[in-house]
Amino acid sequence: RKEVEQDPGPFNVPEGATVAFNCTYSNSASQSFFWYRQDCRKEPKLLMSVYSSGNEDGRFTAQLNRASQYISLLIRDSKLSDSATYLCVVNMRTDSWGKFQFGAGTQVVVTP
Amino acid sequence: IAGITQAPTSQILAAGRRMTLRCTQDMRHNAMYWYRQDLGLGLRLIHYSNTAGTTGKGEVPDGYSVSRANTDDFPLTLASAVPSQTSVYFCASSDRTGTEFFGPGTRLTVL
Repeated sequence: RKEVEQDPGPFNVPEGATVAFNCTYSNSASQSFFWYRQDCRKEPKLLMSVYSSGNEDGRFTAQLNRASQYISLLIRDSKLSDSATYLCVVNMRTDSWGKFQFGAGTQVVVTP
Repeated sequence: IAGITQAPTSQILAAGRRMTLRCTQDMRHNAMYWYRQDLGLGLRLIHYSNTAGTTGKGEVPDGYSVSRANTDDFPLTLASAVPSQTSVYFCASSDRTGTEFFGPGTRLTVL
């Protein structure tokens, strides 16, 4: 079993709609969690960190469920520019260097 | 320089040749990483360094070596390239919050 698993998609989303997807992780000792966005095999870029209480950044909302060991990302009012692959990243460490585990990514395609 | 740079951007290499991928960061991050990304497999850690002078093996270290002579540079060397090392290689560093930042990647094809 992979340590971090994501539904690869693609999630085909009409422009303006809401899309949500999850990421599960296997190690309960995981310390911090992130969503990254990756476009067309370019470098991943941080979208948002995921906090225990949940957090929102504009149209993006991230949630963490430690009991069930998953994190989620919700995108409201989808834009064409939201089309990308979203990577779930789990960090096992709390100090200044990380043991990062990556999901394989969820592809989102926003259509006009 | 702002952030992380990698060179070359892309490379086609004959099998058996030696190749060094360069990575430089100007953020003074202690920790640096090399990943490879292959379709359907996500990012896999090759080697890491949590501070200058130290390195460690990641998930897929065979066929690769690294060095960390100073804080800024973290080169990755393929001693004798094989076709299975065809991939996109990303260098990254992480800050004190544990957030990771990536370079633009090197697309390597080994024939």
